[in-house]
Amino acid sequence: TQLLEQSPQFLSIQEGENLTVYCNSSSVFSSLQWYRQEPGEGPVLLVTVVTGGEVKKLKRLTFQFGDARKDSSLHITAAQPGDTGLYLCAGARGFGNEKLTFGTGTRLTIIP
Amino acid sequence: GAVVSQHPSWVICKSGTSVKIECRSLDFQATTMFWYRQFPKQSLMLMATSNEGSKATYEQGVEKDKFLINHASLTLSTLTVTSAHPEDSSFYICSARPSGQGGTYGYTFGSGTRLTVV
Repeated sequence: TQLLEQSPQFLSIQEGENLTVYCNSSSVFSSLQWYRQEPGEGPVLLVTVVTGGEVKKLKRLTFQFGDARKDSSLHITAAQPGDTGLYLCAGARGFGNEKLTFGTGTRLTIIP
Repeated sequence: GAVVSQHPSWVICKSGTSVKIECRSLDFQATTMFWYRQFPKQSLMLMATSNEGSKATYEQGVEKDKFLINHASLTLSTLTVTSAHPEDSSFYICSARPSGQGGTYGYTFGSGTRLTVV
């Protein structure tokens, strides 16, 4: 059972456009992480958000954790071909070596 | 930064044979490592939690006798797929985080192992 639903599942847009990916759950998480995965590689961590309502920026990427810590969003400004990849959100309960619950994934393609 | 090395990157084996995949933390110690399985165009599904010096914890539906996990040291966990069959073909990925590093840090993933059973 996937507890974290991501939308959209697929997204193909032109270079320079903006986009938002959503990660939703009915469960509360202690923290939420966003990863990007390239084909044939393992996921690479982009950011971790911990506090409800928290906003973090990583260059053109803006991440937000919902006030109730049940959802998150990733906004990309002026998308570039290098942003192409599989974006995964992952939630954790607790702050030890807790296991992650991964979202369903969003496959993003930026067209030059 | 934390580095996790996974070996081999890809392997092809005959049906009925066993395959061992290694996951090493190169510059840190990890009491816990995680093993995931990923089917094409899908997300990661947790298979088991590997615990140094003790038995692994398997997720529901994962056969512990088929997917043997050994975490004999603080830098190495192995996943052995026993009596592999074509349906075991998949992308296997491990992850770890330095022991003692809190939940505000993410996990580091290995580069994955593509297993093809013929």
